[in-house]
Parts: sequence; C-alpha cells; structure tokens
Amino acid sequence: GDSVTQMEGPVTLSEEAFLTINCTYTATGYPSLFWYVQYPGEGLQLLLKATKADDKGSNKGFEATYRKETTSFHLEKGSVQVSDSAVYFCALVTGNQFYFGTGTSLTVIP
Amino acid sequence: DAGVTQSPTHLIKTRGQQVTLRCSPKSGHDTVSWYQQALGQGPQFIFQYYEEEERQRGNFPDRFSGHQFPNYSSELNVNALLLGDSALYLCASSLRGTAYTGELFFGEGSRLTVL
Repeated sequence: GDSVTQMEGPVTLSEEAFLTINCTYTATGYPSLFWYVQYPGEGLQLLLKATKADDKGSNKGFEATYRKETTSFHLEKGSVQVSDSAVYFCALVTGNQFYFGTGTSLTVIP
Repeated sequence: DAGVTQSPTHLIKTRGQQVTLRCSPKSGHDTVSWYQQALGQGPQFIFQYYEEEERQRGNFPDRFSGHQFPNYSSELNVNALLLGDSALYLCASSLRGTAYTGELFFGEGSRLTVL
C-alpha cells in the first residue's frame, strides 16, 4: 500500500548547521508530496509541498525536491535556527487520502 | 480569526467505555478530517466529513464513527474503548476544493488515555 518512510530521529544540530531529513515514499499513481511541521504546543502546519515530479517546494528557507526516480522528497535547510526546533512530518496524498511519516524531531542548540 | 479548536484537550477513560471528541473548523472551512496519532507515530487518517456525510474512510473499525453538523463542526465517537485506542486525536479542516492539496489546518488535538 501507499506509505511514507522518514528518517529516524531525534536530530540535534548546532545553530547555522545544514539540515537534511530524508523521506522516501511508496505510492501508486502520481502523489502530491508535503512537509508538515509541528512546533511545541501547536498543531501541525503545512511547511511546503510539491505536486509533480521535479517540482521544488520552498518556504522559510526550507526546500524539498520531488524526485520520482528515487521516490524521495528530502527536506533541506542551509542554516538552521533555534526557532526551527520542531517535529517534521513527510506526507503524501493519493487516492484522496493522506499518509504521514512517523515524524522527525529536530532540536537546534545555540 | 480562530483556527481549528478541539475539545477536550485531555481525557481519561476505561476499557469498554465510549468517548466523544469535538472539533470546530477554521472559519470558512467546510470539510473536517480526523486523524489518530499514536505515541511516536505519524497521524493516521480515520475519516473525512463534508456536507454532513462521511466521504472517505481509512482503515479503522466501525467502533469509530463521526458526525458533522450544519455549522461544519464535527464529532468523533469511539465505542468499546480498547487500550490501543490511547492516542492523540487530531482534527483537520479545509475547503472541499483544497482538501487534497495539502491545505489542511490542524487543531492541537485531544489526548485520550484508556486505562
């Protein structure tokens, strides 16, 4: 069935470090791909998305490229800040249903 | 502009009991989806309501049921609670036309503990 596999956490980085959180997917058809973020004490919110192969989603300095050949949608940021500490979820929608990964907790230390 | 609100925030039940969780969608939204998030897991889709009808359902037993009211608010009911039903229950609202484009707005969830 359709699914998302996400990099295990937790991840701890120093401020200004480079971030990569890996995400791969399995899906029939042509899914849309998303990254959601959950800041402490808040609900999940959409961070970025890509709807077709080779699309790049970007927001708040984060980027992810829809790679159909490797079925991946890795999240990257060149220089993380303490305020980026949160849980990040990769997700896809196909067949009108959302599938989420297990989440990766990121802590950025000053 | 109020976002998605859920109640109660926390509750404790015993096995075999029934529970009702409530959700008010973001202003202007007409579609409500419910998700179950077990500890250390990602949200799992339970079902979606639009125009007061269940439109889509995930792989959950009939013990899980719901309702949507004319004002678009929604309830999630779980009967005959099991220990494994302990989880964070998330409500997400959206506009029907954007429900599958990622434009979901999530509440903070209701934390259910079954003893």
